[in-house]
Amino acid sequence: DTGVSQNPRHKITKRGQNVTFRCDPISEHNRLYWYRQTLGQGPEFLTYFQNEAQLEKSRLLSDRFSAERPKGSFSTLEIQRTEQGDSAMYLCASMQTSGLYEQYFGPGTRLTVT
Amino acid sequence: AQSVTQLDSQVPVFEEAPVELRCNYSSSVSVYLFWYVQYPNQGLQLLLKYLSGSTLVESINGFEAEFNKSQTSFHLRKPSVHISDTAEYFCAVSERNFGNEKLTFGTGTRLTIIP
Repeated sequence: DTGVSQNPRHKITKRGQNVTFRCDPISEHNRLYWYRQTLGQGPEFLTYFQNEAQLEKSRLLSDRFSAERPKGSFSTLEIQRTEQGDSAMYLCASMQTSGLYEQYFGPGTRLTVT
Repeated sequence: AQSVTQLDSQVPVFEEAPVELRCNYSSSVSVYLFWYVQYPNQGLQLLLKYLSGSTLVESINGFEAEFNKSQTSFHLRKPSVHISDTAEYFCAVSERNFGNEKLTFGTGTRLTIIP
């Protein structure tokens, strides 16, 4: 399967702990996006990469959040000192900037902070 | 900044009946428009998109959407629904010429097909 993959699929953590999620995009895609989706809401943009460069971060992304995409391949999203408000589904999407404007989404990582 | 409104959070429809899922957007610039579908226990999938040209766009499974610039709408329609259309549908916009193609989503409409 050459789709977008995300690991882990589920993460339960205690408040104050650090967590890291991984996203593996479709191999030829140069764009990678992170979104967050809470219950009853649509996904909200967090940040995106063009190859290895992080080009934009949403104001939703507090200083406790950091994302990387070393070598322009997979990406990681780390949340430090988790809070209960961080509980959400974290979605990754990738896209090739070929003019089709089609983002392909992974299955998401569901984070529960207790 | 752009925004998307999906007024109907849930839409129940009898099988083989027509359906319309409403989407209105707000933006100070021209936009690209998308409908994504999320089937139970699956990730978001692109259903159809409007980039330019004909304002009526179609998907491979019988859905269509029409871009109406004057009403800033992009409603999704299907003339006859099937049980397999049960899913959550998200309307999304992306502002043209900003170069980031980030999506702004509505809150979604859950379509339930009644046998």
